[in-house]
Amino acid sequence: GENVEQHPSTLSVQEGDSAVIKCTYSDSASNYFPWYKQELGKRPQLIIDIRSNVGEKKDQRIAVTLNKTAKHFSLHITETQPEDSAVYFCAASNSGGSNYKLTFGKGTLLTVNP
Amino acid sequence: DTEVTQTPKHLVMGMTNKKSLKCEQHMGHRAMYWYKQKAKKPPELMFVYSYEKLSINESVPSRFSPECPNSSLLNLHLHALQPEDSALYLCASSQIRREKLFFGSGTQLSVL
Repeated sequence: GENVEQHPSTLSVQEGDSAVIKCTYSDSASNYFPWYKQELGKRPQLIIDIRSNVGEKKDQRIAVTLNKTAKHFSLHITETQPEDSAVYFCAASNSGGSNYKLTFGKGTLLTVNP
Repeated sequence: DTEVTQTPKHLVMGMTNKKSLKCEQHMGHRAMYWYKQKAKKPPELMFVYSYEKLSINESVPSRFSPECPNSSLLNLHLHALQPEDSALYLCASSQIRREKLFFGSGTQLSVL
């Protein structure tokens, strides 16, 4: 089955700095890579996703890059703000069938210091 | 309506109790999921329903019993749980063959 590794497990930055979180996956058939943000005591929320036919996607201060050859993808947050503090999970899936299964990374606790 | 609603938000139960968790969505999604999440860990998949039929059971102990009465509702029946089953239980839904999961707010379960 799919295995997703995520680094770092914790990341502390100053407000305004950039933050980068990296993930690698094992199954070359995986074709969908979402990122979820989970604030303490709240639900995971999808913040950005990318499919395997795209190398980069951007949404305001958030961007995701994908390198299919190396089987890794990264989340980039620019101009970080205290409200970006949360746990971020990457995930991977092969959405080819009706039995859809996401495999999550172990998460990164991001702390943005004012 | 883009919400997945879960009830109750918090639940405390003894090891001999029977309780049920409920999940509802009105987005027309035909795939629904139960996840278990321990503190500081990623969500772990438990069950997947596709078109109201159980399609994935991730070797979950029989003390957890899922039910999908119709396309909008998903239940998780709990019986004879153990303290290590204490966790946040998340429901999610998606369109069939569509990757975006919409999560509910979860039920924080404590087993005493």
